[in-house]
Amino acid sequence: EPEVTQTPSHQVTQMGQEVILRCVPISNHLYFYWYRQILGQKVEFLVSFYNNEISEKSEIFDDQFSVERPDGSNFTLKIRSTKLEDSAMYFCASTTTSFGANVLTFGAGSRLTVL
Amino acid sequence: DAKTTQPPSMDCAEGRAANLPCNHSTISGNEYVYWYRQIHSQGPQYIIHGLKNNETNEMASLIITEDRKSSTLILPHATLRDTAVYYCIVRVVGSSNTGKLIFGQGTTLQVKP
Repeated sequence: EPEVTQTPSHQVTQMGQEVILRCVPISNHLYFYWYRQILGQKVEFLVSFYNNEISEKSEIFDDQFSVERPDGSNFTLKIRSTKLEDSAMYFCASTTTSFGANVLTFGAGSRLTVL
Repeated sequence: DAKTTQPPSMDCAEGRAANLPCNHSTISGNEYVYWYRQIHSQGPQYIIHGLKNNETNEMASLIITEDRKSSTLILPHATLRDTAVYYCIVRVVGSSNTGKLIFGQGTTLQVKP
C-alpha cells in the first residue's frame, strides 16, 4: 500500500536553530499538508499546498514557517528559528484531490524536540 | 465545517464490538463524515467515511442516522491493537475547499483483555 514517508523520525535541536522536516508524498497525489501535535494535545492543521503554492494556512503558520516542493517529490517544512514551543510531532499528509470525498493519507510523523 | 461531539473515553472488552458515537447536529447536506484513528503518537489513520448511507469496509462499519445528525463507528471485533484515539470529522467538500481535515479531541478507546 502506498505510504507517505517522513524524515527524520526524531530531531533534537537547540533553540534558535533552523530545522527542515522532509516528506515524500504518495506519487500521484497533488495536495499536500502539514499538521502538528504538541504532546497531549490535538492534531492541528498548519498549511495546505497545491500547484506549488500555499492554498491555506492556519494562524500557527507564521513567518517562521515555510514550505516548498523543491524537486517534484519531496515536500518540506522549514522552521527558521526554532522556539521551545515548536517541540511537537509534525505530520505530513497528501491526497489526490480536494474535491469530493477525498482521503488524506498521513505519514508516521517527525518528532521535533527543541532544547 | 460542522462541529462534532464525541465522548472523551470509552472502554471495550476484547472480541466484543466497539460502538463509538459522534454527534454532528449542525451537519449540512454537502458534508461528509470521516473517521480516523491515532494509535499512540503515530500518524492519523483513515478508517471510513460516508455521506448518508451506511458504509462498511474491512476495518469498520459506519452507521449514519437518517437525519444525519449523528453517526456510530462500529469495530465489530475489537482487539487490543484497536486501542487508540478515534476522531469523527465532518468536512464540506466543494470547489472552495482545500481538502484539509480539522481534528477535535476524539474518543480514547481502551480495549481491555
